[in-house]
Order: sequence, then structure tokens, then C-alpha cells
Amino acid sequence: AQSVTQPDIHITVSEGASLELRCNYSYGATPYLFWYVQSPGQGLQLLLKYFSGDTLVQGIKGFEAEFKRSQSSFNLRKPSVHWSDAAEYFCAVAHSGTYKYIFGTGTRLKVLA
Amino acid sequence: DAGVIQSPRHEVTEMGQEVTLRCKPISGHNSLFWYRQTMMRGLELLIYFNNNVPIDDSGMPEDRFSAKMPNASFSTLKIQPSEPRDSAVYFCASSGTGTGYNEQFFGPGTRLTVL
Repeated sequence: AQSVTQPDIHITVSEGASLELRCNYSYGATPYLFWYVQSPGQGLQLLLKYFSGDTLVQGIKGFEAEFKRSQSSFNLRKPSVHWSDAAEYFCAVAHSGTYKYIFGTGTRLKVLA
Repeated sequence: DAGVIQSPRHEVTEMGQEVTLRCKPISGHNSLFWYRQTMMRGLELLIYFNNNVPIDDSGMPEDRFSAKMPNASFSTLKIQPSEPRDSAVYFCASSGTGTGYNEQFFGPGTRLTVL
């Protein structure tokens, strides 16, 4: 069965530090992969997506993610975190040509001043 | 574009009452999704419409839940009667062939509290 695992429920980093949020998926074919961010009281905003091609994808707000097929991973990174990045981050996978997203359980990021 | 619009943003009701949540998708999008978010279960897809037709309602928890999409610019999710365990944030999302690759755009959500 398809699944998405975000092993870290909570992560705390200091402002200015680097960040990596982990995402692993279980999928039979090449998936479509997404990272969304949800600020408190807000809906989900797409940060970046991967469909094919270059395995390192750039997104908004200075985020990037790398697709590693051998590790079934799609980790999200940011070189220097800002206090405004405090939010919950969701990884999602979708089968090409279908509508159904499988969401991970989310990672809540706290940023220390 | 204004994005996906949901109303109300907050709803507090008493057990047994009918609740109706509303969604206006992005103009031109032909797919619409209703999700429920809770601490215990995370994000769950309730129902998916394509071209105003319900395609997959396997996530609708029980008969108390119903959804309609009378036209391309409006959808409702109704709970009747409501129960405290329905308390959650309900999101509407839309997607279109023009967006490519199934990208979904989410509304701000409706926070429902059933007392």
C-alpha cells in the first residue's frame, strides 16, 4: 500500500540554523511528490513539487528538496531558517494521472530566536 | 484570482444541529476535494468531485455526511446531525488540468466545533 512517513513529529531549530525535514514514501512507481506548509490557522500552501527531471527542486521561501529514488526519500531543506518558518510541514505523494494525495502526518517546526 | 474560498471560517454548533460548509473553487478548476484535519487522524480525503460529479466518496465517514457540487463554482459539505467527534478543520481544495500534475490548491479551512 502507498504510504508517506514523516518520522519527526516535532523539530526545533535556532533561527539562522539549517533545516532538514525528512519524508519517506512507499510507492510502486515514480511518484509525484509535494511539500506543503501550514501556518497556524491557515490552509496548506504548496512549497515545491517533483514530477520528473532534476532531482533537486527549488521552491518558494528559500526551500529546496531532493528526490532520492534509491532511498525512497524526498527531504526538505533550507540553509538558514527564519522565525517566520515556524509552521507545520506536510509531505504528500500522488500517483501520476490520479487525484489522490497521500499525506504524511506532518512535522511541526519551532524556531528559537 | 482570490484562491479557494471557504465559509464560514469558524462554526460552533450544538450536537444534533445541521452544519453546512461552503466552498468556491478557483475559477477554471474542474476538480474539487473536501478534506478533514484532526490531531488524531491528520488530513483525510472525504470526497472528490470531477466536473461536478462525485467520483470518490469512500472517505465520507458515515451517512450523516453529504456533499454536493451543483455547479463548477460552488460546493457544500453538510453534516446532519452533527456530533462532537465531528469537530475538526475542514478544507476544500481545487485542481485543474491547467495546473498540471495534480497540484491542489487549498482554502483556508473551516474550523468546526460541535458542543
